Amino acid sequence: GIQVEQSPPDLILQEGANSTLRCNFSDSVNNLQWFHQNPWGQLINLFYIPSGTKQNGRLSATTVATERYSLLYISSSQTTDSGVYFCAVPARGGSYIPTFGRGTSLIVHP
Amino acid sequence: DAGVIQSPRHEVTEMGQEVTLRCKPISGHDYLFWYRQTMMRGLELLIYFNNNVPIDDSGMPEDRFSAKMPNASFSTLKIQPSEPRDSAVYFCASSRQDSGNTIYFGEGSWLTVV
Repeated sequence: GIQVEQSPPDLILQEGANSTLRCNFSDSVNNLQWFHQNPWGQLINLFYIPSGTKQNGRLSATTVATERYSLLYISSSQTTDSGVYFCAVPARGGSYIPTFGRGTSLIVHP
Repeated sequence: DAGVIQSPRHEVTEMGQEVTLRCKPISGHDYLFWYRQTMMRGLELLIYFNNNVPIDDSGMPEDRFSAKMPNASFSTLKIQPSEPRDSAVYFCASSRQDSGNTIYFGEGSWLTVV
């Protein structure tokens, strides 16, 4: 199956700082999603981004499918951004059933 | 629109007891997924359904686990008998293939087996 690696595993920021989270995957994909799991455990879909760039407020994501990576940018971080960020890609070629990386744990201090 | 609804939110049970987790997907979604999350293994796909039919249950850990989807608006995940190592958060999620396959999660069922 397709392997997903996320980096860094842990990140601590001061409020207002910017950050970049990375997701590498081992094979071509036709589907990539970013999720945020908040400290209460809720998993929220942030982006569906198989290629290109999307922006939503202070968050943006870019996927370069030919080079097998995706980046999630968080600008002017806030304490509410704390939690774990996951990227998910299809478990295997031709499928779209998501398999998840181990996530990046983000803590934003006030 | 209501999101994916799971019940119970929290359950504590004794080893050997039967556990039934329930899920109502988003109306109109044709895929339903059951995931399990633990610190050791992260988010694992247990089983998924397409149009109420189980497609891939290779992630189901043992015969003690079973899942059903009797209709488009209801699914269950059953563990019988439960063991302490089954303690985890169990998520149900749903998606619609013609809407970009964006997946939506329920709030999870937090299971503790003592």
